[in-house]
Amino acid sequence: EAGVTQFPSHSVIEKGQTVTLRCDPISGHDNLYWYRRVMGKEIKFLLHFVKESKQDESGMPNNRFLAERTGGTYSTLKVQPAELEDSGVYFCASSQEGSYNEQFFGPGTRLTVL
Amino acid sequence: RKEVEQDPGPFNVPEGATVAFNCTYSNSASQSFFWYRQDCRKEPKLLMSVYSSGNEDGRFTAQLNRASQYISLLIRDSKLSDSATYLCVAMDSSYKLIFGSGTRLLVRP
Repeated sequence: EAGVTQFPSHSVIEKGQTVTLRCDPISGHDNLYWYRRVMGKEIKFLLHFVKESKQDESGMPNNRFLAERTGGTYSTLKVQPAELEDSGVYFCASSQEGSYNEQFFGPGTRLTVL
Repeated sequence: RKEVEQDPGPFNVPEGATVAFNCTYSNSASQSFFWYRQDCRKEPKLLMSVYSSGNEDGRFTAQLNRASQYISLLIRDSKLSDSATYLCVAMDSSYKLIFGSGTRLLVRP
């Protein structure tokens, strides 16, 4: 069974540009989460989808971040315009419906904003 | 104050040693607790859940003390392959994971 996949693995952009990260959860997983780790800090929650609905977006840092999950399958996280402090590793995780315990993480997207 | 606090280490131990990691959490409403393992530049992977009764998985033993809001992980007979960062994680009432900063373990030959 394929795990959580994320694309791209790395992205280097300049301040002010737009970047879109993609996450494909494990097939059949209704719960999809975005987390990020900025340099020197712990991994922090961004938001949680249940199917196509945003269940909790309390961790989104500001309105430059937009997450979507149309059709309840893959999700995208767009940063527009990117700022220097957005640099970090963005992880996606998924879990089965009703099974909130084990969240399986993708390999992450390493974002560098210059 | 961080919601989940861990000693960052590193813990540098010889093969075969027993090593213990501790963690405290501040939110008494946290529902579930976990230890995740993260290798360098890789994603976190679930090592084990943590229960009040204590649970063991091979060389790994985890314990939760809700009264003191304290979590522990014991690794016996350390292997070189145990070298990694160990993340203490709490799940809050809205099912999001709250991560500690991680404790780095180096097992030397």
